[in-house]
Amino acid sequence: AQSVTQLDSQVPVFEEAPVELRCNYSSSVSVYLFWYVQYPNQGLQLLLKYLSGSTLVKGINGFEAEFNKSQTSFHLRKPSVHISDTAEYFCAVTSTGFQKLVFGTGTRLLVSP
Amino acid sequence: DAGVIQSPRHEVTEMGQEVTLRCKPISGHNSLFWYRQTMMRGLELLIYFNNNVPIDDSGMPEDRFSAKMPNASFSTLKIQPSEPRDSAVYFCASTLALGNSPLHFGNGTRLTVT
Repeated sequence: AQSVTQLDSQVPVFEEAPVELRCNYSSSVSVYLFWYVQYPNQGLQLLLKYLSGSTLVKGINGFEAEFNKSQTSFHLRKPSVHISDTAEYFCAVTSTGFQKLVFGTGTRLLVSP
Repeated sequence: DAGVIQSPRHEVTEMGQEVTLRCKPISGHNSLFWYRQTMMRGLELLIYFNNNVPIDDSGMPEDRFSAKMPNASFSTLKIQPSEPRDSAVYFCASTLALGNSPLHFGNGTRLTVT
Protein backbone atom coordinates (compact mmCIF):
# COMPACT_ATOMS: atom_id res chain seq x y z
CA ALA A 1 0.00 0.00 0.00
CA GLN A 2 1.13 3.52 -0.74
CA SER A 3 1.21 6.47 1.60
CA VAL A 4 2.09 10.14 1.27
CA THR A 5 3.52 12.48 3.87
CA GLN A 6 3.41 16.24 3.50
CA LEU A 7 5.61 17.47 6.29
CA ASP A 8 4.38 21.05 6.41
CA SER A 9 0.76 21.84 7.10
CA GLN A 10 1.29 25.52 6.36
CA VAL A 11 4.03 27.48 4.60
CA PRO A 12 4.03 31.29 4.86
CA VAL A 13 6.12 33.14 2.32
CA PHE A 14 6.49 36.64 0.94
CA GLU A 15 5.59 37.50 -2.61
CA GLU A 16 8.40 36.94 -5.14
CA ALA A 17 10.28 34.64 -2.75
CA PRO A 18 11.05 31.03 -3.70
CA VAL A 19 9.12 28.20 -2.11
CA GLU A 20 9.43 24.44 -1.70
CA LEU A 21 6.58 22.23 -0.53
CA ARG A 22 7.76 18.87 0.64
CA CYS A 23 6.29 15.48 -0.19
CA ASN A 24 7.55 12.04 0.71
CA TYR A 25 5.91 8.80 -0.30
CA SER A 26 6.22 5.14 0.50
CA SER A 27 5.50 2.35 -1.90
CA SER A 28 6.81 -1.11 -2.61
CA VAL A 29 6.15 -0.80 -6.33
CA SER A 30 6.71 1.70 -9.10
CA VAL A 31 4.64 4.83 -8.71
CA TYR A 32 3.00 7.70 -10.47
CA LEU A 33 3.15 10.99 -8.57
CA PHE A 34 0.96 14.06 -8.79
CA TRP A 35 0.62 17.53 -7.33
CA TYR A 36 -2.83 19.11 -7.19
CA VAL A 37 -3.82 22.62 -6.13
CA GLN A 38 -7.08 23.61 -4.47
CA TYR A 39 -8.25 27.22 -4.46
CA PRO A 40 -10.95 28.28 -1.97
CA ASN A 41 -14.37 26.81 -2.65
CA GLN A 42 -13.12 24.83 -5.63
CA GLY A 43 -12.15 21.29 -6.44
CA LEU A 44 -8.60 20.11 -6.96
CA GLN A 45 -6.76 20.92 -10.17
CA LEU A 46 -3.75 19.08 -11.55
CA LEU A 47 -0.50 21.05 -11.30
CA LEU A 48 1.87 18.44 -12.64
CA LYS A 49 2.56 14.72 -12.76
CA TYR A 50 5.46 12.33 -12.89
CA LEU A 51 4.87 9.12 -14.82
CA SER A 52 8.34 8.18 -16.11
CA GLY A 53 11.36 9.68 -17.83
CA SER A 54 12.92 12.95 -16.73
CA THR A 55 12.85 13.34 -12.99
CA LEU A 56 12.29 17.09 -13.25
CA VAL A 57 8.70 17.78 -14.14
CA LYS A 58 7.33 21.17 -15.09
CA GLY A 59 3.73 22.09 -14.51
CA ILE A 60 1.36 24.98 -14.81
CA ASN A 61 1.77 28.40 -13.21
CA GLY A 62 5.58 28.11 -13.09
CA PHE A 63 5.69 25.19 -10.68
CA GLU A 64 8.05 22.26 -11.00
CA ALA A 65 8.78 19.12 -9.03
CA GLU A 66 11.64 16.68 -8.86
CA PHE A 67 11.22 12.96 -8.42
CA ASN A 68 13.94 11.49 -6.22
CA LYS A 69 13.61 7.74 -6.04
CA SER A 70 16.41 7.20 -3.53
CA GLN A 71 14.85 9.67 -1.11
CA THR A 72 11.28 8.73 -2.07
CA SER A 73 10.48 12.40 -2.44
CA PHE A 74 8.59 14.57 -4.90
CA HIS A 75 9.03 18.13 -3.66
CA LEU A 76 7.23 21.00 -5.37
CA ARG A 77 9.08 24.24 -6.08
CA LYS A 78 8.53 27.67 -7.52
CA PRO A 79 11.31 30.24 -7.86
CA SER A 80 9.09 33.27 -7.32
CA VAL A 81 5.58 33.08 -5.90
CA HIS A 82 2.63 35.40 -6.44
CA ILE A 83 -0.22 36.36 -4.17
CA SER A 84 -2.47 34.29 -6.44
CA ASP A 85 -0.53 31.14 -5.53
CA THR A 86 -2.16 31.18 -2.11
CA ALA A 87 -3.98 27.84 -1.99
CA GLU A 88 -3.85 24.32 -0.61
CA TYR A 89 -1.46 21.93 -2.34
CA PHE A 90 -1.84 18.17 -2.31
CA CYS A 91 0.68 15.52 -3.22
CA ALA A 92 -0.71 12.19 -4.40
CA VAL A 93 0.62 8.78 -5.37
CA THR A 94 -0.69 5.72 -7.14
CA SER A 95 0.97 2.56 -8.28
CA THR A 96 1.59 1.69 -11.89
CA GLY A 97 -0.88 -1.08 -11.53
CA PHE A 98 -3.37 1.53 -10.36
CA GLN A 99 -5.66 1.14 -7.55
CA LYS A 100 -6.38 4.10 -5.34
CA LEU A 101 -4.90 7.54 -5.71
CA VAL A 102 -3.64 8.31 -2.21
CA PHE A 103 -3.51 11.96 -1.19
CA GLY A 104 -1.37 13.65 1.42
CA THR A 105 -2.93 15.86 4.06
CA GLY A 106 -2.16 19.02 2.12
CA THR A 107 0.05 22.07 2.62
CA ARG A 108 -1.48 25.50 2.80
CA LEU A 109 0.70 28.05 1.01
CA LEU A 110 0.15 31.58 2.29
CA VAL A 111 1.72 34.30 0.16
CA SER A 112 1.78 37.78 1.64
CA PRO A 113 2.86 41.11 0.12
CA ASP B 1 -15.81 20.76 -22.00
CA ALA B 2 -17.96 21.69 -18.99
CA GLY B 3 -15.87 19.69 -16.58
CA VAL B 4 -17.27 17.57 -13.78
CA ILE B 5 -20.58 18.98 -12.63
CA GLN B 6 -21.84 18.50 -9.11
CA SER B 7 -25.13 19.52 -7.59
CA PRO B 8 -26.14 21.05 -5.35
CA ARG B 9 -23.20 23.31 -4.43
CA HIS B 10 -24.52 23.68 -0.91
CA GLU B 11 -26.90 21.52 1.07
CA VAL B 12 -28.17 22.22 4.56
CA THR B 13 -30.35 19.59 6.15
CA GLU B 14 -31.51 18.37 9.51
CA MET B 15 -30.26 15.25 11.17
CA GLY B 16 -32.19 12.20 10.08
CA GLN B 17 -33.05 13.50 6.63
CA GLU B 18 -32.01 11.82 3.42
CA VAL B 19 -29.42 13.62 1.33
CA THR B 20 -28.63 12.94 -2.32
CA LEU B 21 -25.58 14.38 -4.01
CA ARG B 22 -25.28 14.30 -7.77
CA CYS B 23 -22.42 14.16 -10.22
CA LYS B 24 -22.05 14.33 -13.97
CA PRO B 25 -18.58 13.23 -15.07
CA ILE B 26 -16.74 14.50 -18.11
CA SER B 27 -18.07 12.88 -21.26
CA GLY B 28 -15.90 9.95 -22.29
CA HIS B 29 -14.39 9.39 -18.88
CA ASN B 30 -14.91 5.84 -17.69
CA SER B 31 -13.90 6.10 -14.04
CA LEU B 32 -15.64 8.09 -11.34
CA PHE B 33 -14.64 8.77 -7.75
CA TRP B 34 -16.39 10.15 -4.68
CA TYR B 35 -14.24 11.89 -2.07
CA ARG B 36 -15.05 13.53 1.23
CA GLN B 37 -12.98 16.41 2.60
CA THR B 38 -12.93 17.55 6.22
CA MET B 39 -10.47 19.52 8.29
CA MET B 40 -9.89 16.56 10.59
CA ARG B 41 -9.45 13.77 8.08
CA GLY B 42 -8.45 15.57 4.89
CA LEU B 43 -9.40 13.93 1.58
CA GLU B 44 -10.92 10.49 1.91
CA LEU B 45 -11.82 8.25 -1.01
CA LEU B 46 -15.29 6.88 -0.42
CA ILE B 47 -15.89 4.78 -3.52
CA TYR B 48 -14.92 4.56 -7.15
CA PHE B 49 -16.49 3.15 -10.27
CA ASN B 50 -14.98 1.86 -13.48
CA ASN B 51 -17.29 1.54 -16.47
CA ASN B 52 -20.24 2.17 -14.12
CA VAL B 53 -19.31 -0.75 -11.88
CA PRO B 54 -18.30 -0.11 -8.25
CA ILE B 55 -14.73 -1.31 -7.83
CA ASP B 56 -13.85 -0.36 -4.29
CA ASP B 57 -16.28 0.90 -1.67
CA SER B 58 -14.09 0.21 1.33
CA GLY B 59 -13.98 3.92 2.11
CA MET B 60 -17.72 4.23 2.57
CA PRO B 61 -18.00 4.96 6.28
CA GLU B 62 -21.27 3.24 7.12
CA ASP B 63 -24.29 1.55 5.67
CA ARG B 64 -25.99 4.92 5.76
CA PHE B 65 -23.90 5.81 2.71
CA SER B 66 -24.67 4.41 -0.71
CA ALA B 67 -23.56 5.30 -4.24
CA LYS B 68 -24.88 4.41 -7.64
CA MET B 69 -23.84 4.95 -11.21
CA PRO B 70 -26.79 3.95 -13.40
CA ASN B 71 -25.07 5.13 -16.58
CA ALA B 72 -21.82 6.66 -17.80
CA SER B 73 -23.02 10.21 -17.36
CA PHE B 74 -24.51 10.22 -13.88
CA SER B 75 -23.76 9.17 -10.34
CA THR B 76 -25.35 9.75 -6.95
CA LEU B 77 -24.12 9.56 -3.40
CA LYS B 78 -26.88 9.13 -0.86
CA ILE B 79 -26.80 9.45 2.90
CA GLN B 80 -29.79 8.09 4.77
CA PRO B 81 -30.26 9.04 7.54
CA SER B 82 -27.83 11.95 7.72
CA GLU B 83 -25.96 12.88 10.90
CA PRO B 84 -24.07 16.04 11.94
CA ARG B 85 -20.74 14.23 11.61
CA ASP B 86 -21.46 13.80 7.90
CA SER B 87 -20.95 17.53 7.43
CA ALA B 88 -18.13 17.93 4.92
CA VAL B 89 -17.37 18.85 1.34
CA TYR B 90 -18.06 15.98 -1.02
CA PHE B 91 -16.15 15.89 -4.29
CA CYS B 92 -16.77 13.89 -7.40
CA ALA B 93 -13.91 13.29 -9.83
CA SER B 94 -13.59 11.48 -13.12
CA THR B 95 -10.73 10.25 -15.25
CA LEU B 96 -10.26 8.88 -18.71
CA ALA B 97 -8.55 5.72 -17.52
CA LEU B 98 -7.31 4.23 -14.29
CA GLY B 99 -3.59 4.62 -13.72
CA ASN B 100 -1.64 7.54 -15.06
CA SER B 101 -4.52 9.76 -16.17
CA PRO B 102 -5.14 12.68 -13.81
CA LEU B 103 -8.40 13.14 -11.95
CA HIS B 104 -10.71 15.98 -12.87
CA PHE B 105 -12.60 17.26 -9.88
CA GLY B 106 -15.93 18.98 -9.60
CA ASN B 107 -16.34 22.03 -7.36
CA GLY B 108 -17.85 19.95 -4.61
CA THR B 109 -21.01 19.93 -2.54
CA ARG B 110 -20.74 21.50 0.89
CA LEU B 111 -23.04 19.51 3.18
CA THR B 112 -24.11 20.81 6.54
CA VAL B 113 -26.20 18.56 8.76
CA THR B 114 -27.70 20.31 11.76
